[in-house]
Amino acid sequence: KAGVTQTPRYLIKTRGQQVTLSCSPISGHRSVSWYQQTPGQGLQFLFEYFSETQRNKGNFPGRFSGRQFSNSRSEMNVSTLELGDSALYLCASSLDSANQPQHFGDGTRLSIL
Amino acid sequence: AQKITQTQPGMFVQEKEAVTLDCTYDTSDQSYGLFWYKQPSSGEMIFLIYQGSYDEQNATEGRYSLNFQKARKSANLVISASQLGDSAMYFCAMRERYFGNEKLTFGTGTRLTIIP
Repeated sequence: KAGVTQTPRYLIKTRGQQVTLSCSPISGHRSVSWYQQTPGQGLQFLFEYFSETQRNKGNFPGRFSGRQFSNSRSEMNVSTLELGDSALYLCASSLDSANQPQHFGDGTRLSIL
Repeated sequence: AQKITQTQPGMFVQEKEAVTLDCTYDTSDQSYGLFWYKQPSSGEMIFLIYQGSYDEQNATEGRYSLNFQKARKSANLVISASQLGDSAMYFCAMRERYFGNEKLTFGTGTRLTIIP
């Protein structure tokens, strides 16, 4: 069974630009969550999508948005990039959110210059 | 306030020894889940083990076991017979309801280094 696939693996952008990250969940998984990992803040929850609807949301500004397609694939968009957005962005999928283990992708490492 | 506390930023353990990674949590929910993940230097997060708040037995998965003490709100990970490949960051996480949302909250992690 293929795992969670995130593309691209690495990305370099400049301040003010926008970026779209992609996540393909494990087949059959309908819940997709996004996390930001930085050395200073650790792992922080961004949002979760289930059946094309945002079901849970963390404490990030509106510049961070996402969506989920009918095949459960998800995209995350960050607009007006700031230096502080440099991080490893991790996507995780699960069968459902309720106490099911989340399986993570390898992440997208975003660097803002 | 920290929801998940991992008090050991780093640990060095001799190969083949057992190791316990500490995790305490704070929640007022009755129903919650506790998870441990491993993150090698390559960056991917690998699910290790899960414990539900209503589970009476401690969870075990191969060399991993979770020492769940509900009254003390602790969920320590025990790795038996450590191997060099166990060197990684280990994160404890809790799934709970937070203002109507469900979210997975991670601790700050413990960097485990296995010494040959």
